[in-house]
Amino acid sequence: DTAVSQTPKYLVTQMGNDKSIKCEQNLGHDTMYWYKQDSKKFLKIMFSYNNKELIINETVPNRFSPKSPDKAHLNLHINSLELGDSAVYFCASSPYVNQPQHFGDGTRLSIL
Amino acid sequence: AQSVAQPEDQVNVAEGNPLTVKCTYSVSGNPYLFWYVQYPNRGLQFLLKYITGDNLVKGSYGFEAEFNKSQTSFHLKKPSALVSDSALYFCAVGKEYGQNFVFGPGTRLSVLP
Repeated sequence: DTAVSQTPKYLVTQMGNDKSIKCEQNLGHDTMYWYKQDSKKFLKIMFSYNNKELIINETVPNRFSPKSPDKAHLNLHINSLELGDSAVYFCASSPYVNQPQHFGDGTRLSIL
Repeated sequence: AQSVAQPEDQVNVAEGNPLTVKCTYSVSGNPYLFWYVQYPNRGLQFLLKYITGDNLVKGSYGFEAEFNKSQTSFHLKKPSALVSDSALYFCAVGKEYGQNFVFGPGTRLSVLP
């Protein structure tokens, strides 16, 4: 039973489209995160939610909008996709802030 | 703001030999330090953490790390490397009462048979 699951695993789309990535955790954690890992494997936090409230919002274009309908879900919607958005996006969760995180296996986004 | 350096992009070690993956950090206040491992096409997996207590921390798969406050380092070690340890290793730092944290650039470990 997967602890942190992301869908879809692969996403191939054209520039200008809008897409969403879904994330669910069944660990009962309070905190969830979105990360972007680029082609050089650098990992950068984008957003963090604690109990459905946004607590970290790094310098990310407004085209990226997270949404947490409940504590177990954190979705990422991206508008007007650009070539530079191509990356692997990881969802993660932790019991609360500053605790070890459990990561999903990533969504590989490719923009044509 | 916190920062993390992993000075080596790549570490090569022979199977059975000890391994060290280096990490240095900068943070105001008490650091929260973590090591994660990433295998190909997978998410990161937590290995170990230091928050307080003993400077030598033991974690999963036989890994350990030593917190050195004066050198602001948190190097990852294992006494005897396995080929299956070959992966990408990330150090991360947060701080007490902080909400944000930073990952290092990663070090690729190759264990040669």
